[in-house]
Amino acid sequence: KNQVEQSPQSLIILEGKNCTLQCNYTVSPFSNLRWYKQDTGRGPVSLTIMTFSENTKSNGRYTATLDADTKQSSLHITASQLSDSASYICVVSAQAGSYQLTFGKGTKLSVIP
Amino acid sequence: DAGVIQSPRHEVTEMGQEVTLRCKPISGHDYLFWYRQTMMRGLELLIYFNNNVPIDDSGMPEDRFSAKMPNASFSTLKIQPSEPRDSAVYFCASTVGRRNSPLHFGNGTRLTVT
Repeated sequence: KNQVEQSPQSLIILEGKNCTLQCNYTVSPFSNLRWYKQDTGRGPVSLTIMTFSENTKSNGRYTATLDADTKQSSLHITASQLSDSASYICVVSAQAGSYQLTFGKGTKLSVIP
Repeated sequence: DAGVIQSPRHEVTEMGQEVTLRCKPISGHDYLFWYRQTMMRGLELLIYFNNNVPIDDSGMPEDRFSAKMPNASFSTLKIQPSEPRDSAVYFCASTVGRRNSPLHFGNGTRLTVT
């Protein structure tokens, strides 16, 4: 069964600090991995999309890494801001052209002053 | 670009009533998706359309749920009759059919069935 596991479930950090969120998946075959940010009361917003051949991708202060061999991904947030408080969802696509995405349950990040 | 627009934002209804959720996708997007999000199960795909045609409805829970896309700019998700276990946030998303295009989500409809 295709699964995406995220850790930690929740995280509290001080403003200005860095943090790393983890995603492990068992989806096969693998097409791409996406990270989304979901603010409270809003829909998810795409941060990055990585294919099998990409092992790192940045979007401003967000950097995602992918190890397709170990089926792990991480999302690193640098110099956190209060506006980074949100849930971060890891999503894996099983095959090219398929929209049967497997979603993780997300990591809830709280950035405090 | 107004993004994906969903209405209503909140819906409270009594068990047994019919509920209709509405979605306007981003202009030019040829794929439209309906998702349901709960704390227990996270985001689940209910159904998706390509060029207004339903492609995969295997995620629709049961016959009480139905979805239509009469044209490229409008879709509805209907629940009849509604039950308390249908309480969730329902999201509509759209995208263009290009490799690795991101999904663009609306801000959802929070449904409460009492």
